[in-house]
Amino acid sequence: DAGITQSPRHKVTETGTPVTLRCHQTENHRYMYWYRQDPGHGLRLIHYSYGVKDTDKGEVSDGYSVSRSKTEDFLLTLESATSSQTSVYFCAISESVTRQAFFGQGTRLTVV
Amino acid sequence: SQQGEEDPQALSIQEGENATMNCSYKTSINNLQWYRQNSGRGLVHLILIRSNEREKHSGRLRVTLDTSKKSSSLLITASRAADTASYFCATVSGAGSYQLTFGKGTKLSVIP
Repeated sequence: DAGITQSPRHKVTETGTPVTLRCHQTENHRYMYWYRQDPGHGLRLIHYSYGVKDTDKGEVSDGYSVSRSKTEDFLLTLESATSSQTSVYFCAISESVTRQAFFGQGTRLTVV
Repeated sequence: SQQGEEDPQALSIQEGENATMNCSYKTSINNLQWYRQNSGRGLVHLILIRSNEREKHSGRLRVTLDTSKKSSSLLITASRAADTASYFCATVSGAGSYQLTFGKGTKLSVIP
């Protein structure tokens, strides 16, 4: 299995609080992605990174920010959590856009 | 909006039968990938087909790609109960894109 770890795996937080999810890889892959998965919507891309300090927005980036200060870590921050951000969040890594992606086990976030 | 759309949304078959899932996409692509997700788990890569390929096989999997119709199909032959999962197509758009975007998935149930 590819070395990709998400933390925490589960989190319950209150509306209005900031939340940071971490994705850590040991594969030295260039590309990293954050997705959210909701029933009826499949996986939707939030943000992605194509190198250290190189990030861009995906389809559903409002209310989220990311940072990548080193190759192995990609952080997703919910600046002020809302109930609509209750979801399962997946991180993925890829060596190249022409190759397969490897996924983490997901983080289940509940905003109450 | 999401690039890929799978069809059907849900499919139920008997063990031993073949399962066919379809994916349509909107823009030109670099490659198209299929992933499987077991309940409560992360996605696992199954097969990748490049834009200049028309058909690819891997074990019991057969993928076709028709770039003129912007569509792909995934065939699982001689299905097993263990194939029960959700299946997603994902695309990497054309030159200069780093985004890996997913469809909403097909939920396959294989009845023993």
